[in-house]
Amino acid sequence: DAMVIQNPRYQVTQFGKPVTLSCSQTLNHNVMYWYQQKSSQAPKLLFHYYDKDFNNEADTPDNFQSRRPNTSFCFLDIRSPGLGDAAMYLCATSRGGAGVGELFFGEGSRLTVL
Amino acid sequence: AQTVTQSQPEMSVQEAETVTLSCTYDTSESDYYLFWYKQPPSRQMILVIRQEAYKQQNATENRFSVNFQKAAKSFSLKISDSQLGDAAMYFCAYRSARDGNKLVFGAGTILRVKS
Repeated sequence: DAMVIQNPRYQVTQFGKPVTLSCSQTLNHNVMYWYQQKSSQAPKLLFHYYDKDFNNEADTPDNFQSRRPNTSFCFLDIRSPGLGDAAMYLCATSRGGAGVGELFFGEGSRLTVL
Repeated sequence: AQTVTQSQPEMSVQEAETVTLSCTYDTSESDYYLFWYKQPPSRQMILVIRQEAYKQQNATENRFSVNFQKAAKSFSLKISDSQLGDAAMYFCAYRSARDGNKLVFGAGTILRVKS
């Protein structure tokens, strides 16, 4: 019944070694989000896609990129991870458009940077 | 810009008792949505309850209810008959009806349930 699926659940990388996190959804939602969440903090929005329209947050570092090849999939690329990028990365989706538009979250990908 | 404030970093409740988590927000908009999300340890964030600002009636979902005070910009969550499974981080969140693709989160409240 999983609706937003993130892979991998746990990722260990070395300082400066690129990493890609993936997210897929079975909800056919228009909007897909990537959030960064550090320990016991609120999720911080990095960017989101409304269909193919990419929306970057002003304070998201250039080190973070995203791709959405189709409705179902979205990727987060971290080009040169630093120690400060160690965090949980949450993918979420929403229907978009008018209405309440709750977000549905995946289980997250926990990134460790050595 | 809208902000959401949760002034209680941590709360504790005895099993079967009632607890209220506080949330205030700041906005100049009149049409918006409010949410409480639950994030158990190492598990995904799920929606607990939501409230449309245009509705005067407080939302209720089983043991969970809200006290929505629009004029005071307050949106508290009441959990009745607390269960061990309610232990989690709870986030209050705001979404504008006008610019509706972003959710603004509060800092969260850790709820501990004692048996």
